[in-house]
Amino acid sequence: GAGVSQTPSNKVTEKGKYVELRCDPISGHTALYWYRQSLGQGPEFLIYFQGTGAADDSGLPNDRFFAVRPEGSVSTLKIQRTERGDSAVYLCASTLGGGAGETQYFGPGTRLLVL
Amino acid sequence: EDQVTQSPEALRLQEGESSSLNCSYTVSGLRGLFWYRQDPGKGPEFLFTLYSAGEEKEKERLKATLTKKESFLHITAPKPEDSATYLCAVEDVQGAQKLVFGQGTRLTINP
Repeated sequence: GAGVSQTPSNKVTEKGKYVELRCDPISGHTALYWYRQSLGQGPEFLIYFQGTGAADDSGLPNDRFFAVRPEGSVSTLKIQRTERGDSAVYLCASTLGGGAGETQYFGPGTRLLVL
Repeated sequence: EDQVTQSPEALRLQEGESSSLNCSYTVSGLRGLFWYRQDPGKGPEFLFTLYSAGEEKEKERLKATLTKKESFLHITAPKPEDSATYLCAVEDVQGAQKLVFGQGTRLTINP
């Protein structure tokens, strides 16, 4: 595709529910990143995939958060037992090769609101 | 631990009034410094990458510079459409390709 796409664009859920957020990277990009952005703050790293495997998941806040990329393209970020503090914009980015210093291109984000 | 601090947090300028945004950073080793622009309700849009001290890059009314401790984003004769939040991020040589962002500078250009 022309750019990184994310669905849904907005998600409202209730505390305790399970949510899935989807990211479709730029076609041909092998590396994919998830970030979380709270209001008025810069994005914070969550997890990085090189191909199908998670190369670095050090930013996941706890074991309620999990992400997969089974075929090395589309990725899904999964949040179990959502809490109000999980409300944020979840951003996805991709790079062509995942090499050092490569530019990360971001999608529009999914705005998650936990009531 | 990597740290990125941007100043000021917010800046209001008149159209045509030039200024600079600052990004101070602390890393064990700099692999790259990135500037992004973010409009309300949208994802960050890439502007520049700087890799070594002394490097400069320009695009239209924007010019980014880099030293060993900070980067500046200079805006010359800005227009209202330059209004946005400008984000600075660093990639550490030990950071496995993850970016560490500052909190951003909200720039408003009044006509």
